[in-house]
Amino acid sequence: AQKITQTQPGMFVQEKEAVTLDCTYDTSDPSYGLFWYKQPSSGEMIFLIYQGSYDQQNATEGRYSLNFQKARKSANLVISASQLGDSAMYFCAMREGYYGQNFVFGPGTRLSVLP
Amino acid sequence: ETGVTQTPRHLVMGMTNKKSLKCEQHLGHNAMYWYKQSAKKPLELMFVYSLEERVENNSVPSRFSPECPNSSHLFLHLHTLQPEDSALYLCASSQDWQGRSGNQPQHFGDGTRLSIL
Repeated sequence: AQKITQTQPGMFVQEKEAVTLDCTYDTSDPSYGLFWYKQPSSGEMIFLIYQGSYDQQNATEGRYSLNFQKARKSANLVISASQLGDSAMYFCAMREGYYGQNFVFGPGTRLSVLP
Repeated sequence: ETGVTQTPRHLVMGMTNKKSLKCEQHLGHNAMYWYKQSAKKPLELMFVYSLEERVENNSVPSRFSPECPNSSHLFLHLHTLQPEDSALYLCASSQDWQGRSGNQPQHFGDGTRLSIL
C-alpha cells in the first residue's frame, strides 16, 4: 500500500494566486515527520517545510504553509502569492518512527504557474 | 550550493562497463542516502548509511554496490547495468540523533543522470 498519496499529477495556478497541493499519508507509528520538497526541471531537490506529528501548530516558512490535519492524515502544502519560479515538481515525504531513517516519497505534483 | 555534491552530473555507459557515482556532503551530517528517480515513478530509496554503517537496503540488485568510507563520502559502484537502470540517481544526507530523528530533513545533491546504452 502506498504510504504517501498525492492525487494531483498536475496543477495550474495563475501568478500571484494561492494554490494548495494535496498530500495524504498512511502510518501506524505515532512519531513521524512530514516534509515537502520542490524539484525544478534542473533536478535538484529543495527542502521547503517540515511538520512533526506532535507539533500543535501548522508549520509556516515564508510563502509556504502546511495545512496539517492529523485525524485525516493529510498534510497539504499551501503556496501563497505564486511566482513563475514556483513552477516545479512538488513531493510530499514522510519519515517514520523515533529512530526512523527511512524517508518515503509520494509520486509528486507538477505545478505550473501561468503569467 | 546545496552542501551535497554529486559527480558526475551525467554518465553514459554500456551494459558491460564498471563505473562509480560519488557523493560528498559538507554539512557535518551523519547519515547518507542513495535514491533512484525514474520517469513517472516515485523516488525509490536504495541505501541508507548511518554513522557509516548500512542500515537499509531496499531489495536493490547486486549490480549496485554502495560504499561509505566515512560520514562525508558515499559511493555507488555500478557494474553490468541494464537499460532499465537509466535514471536520475540522487544522493542525500541528514543529521540523525538518537531519540530525535523526526524533524531532520534530507539535503539533496543535484543528482547524476545515468543513461545505459
